[in-house]
Amino acid sequence: QVQLQESGPGLVKPSQTLSLTCTVSGGSISSGSYYWGWIRQPAGKGLEWIGRIYTSGNTNYNPSLKSRVTISIDTSKNQFSLKLSSVTAADTAVYYCARERISFYYYMDVWGKGTTVTVSS
Amino acid sequence: EIVLTQSPGTVSLSPGERATLSCRASQSVSSSYLAWYQQKPGQAPRLLIYGVSSRATGIPDRFSGSGSGTDFTLTISRLEPEDFAVYYCQQYGSSSLTFGGGTKVEIK
Repeated sequence: QVQLQESGPGLVKPSQTLSLTCTVSGGSISSGSYYWGWIRQPAGKGLEWIGRIYTSGNTNYNPSLKSRVTISIDTSKNQFSLKLSSVTAADTAVYYCARERISFYYYMDVWGKGTTVTVSS
Repeated sequence: EIVLTQSPGTVSLSPGERATLSCRASQSVSSSYLAWYQQKPGQAPRLLIYGVSSRATGIPDRFSGSGSGTDFTLTISRLEPEDFAVYYCQQYGSSSLTFGGGTKVEIK
């Protein structure tokens, strides 16, 4: 069964770029049935969708973050990555990667456990 | 952007009671693209319901979803101890998506 695992630095300095990777195991990231997304959650708050990527490299981003977000995919490593530039304390959150199914239905059916990123000097 | 408003923010119930959670959208949402998730402390969200009323794999039948247009409901028919958690609705549309603010179901 497919599993996702986030990895990356837990501490990022303000104004720098946050970089995270999601490794997919138990299945191929190149499966044409799924998109691969990032979601974040500040402590004690709700969920915010960041963006997604398809195996072709096609991306969609949250309009509120679009100017700072880049999502990429490496099918040879079965990984996809998130870069968020010019971070501030407001970007401190748990970051999740997830598998998205967009067909007749939409849903996120597989999630990573999440990784905490703190923005602080 | 479609805004999803969930109510109540918190509901206090006892095991065995029925929980009714509301999700209201600022614009009409395609029924195919409305989902519900459960999140417990320290865990990632778990898919419960998709397409308004279809249960995800392994989800017990005490969970049910209903609604259309701008008003959607998640019902837990008889609360089990493991059901006390935060519940989020989510909608997808125009290549974007939003979550509601969540409803916390706590033990009374």
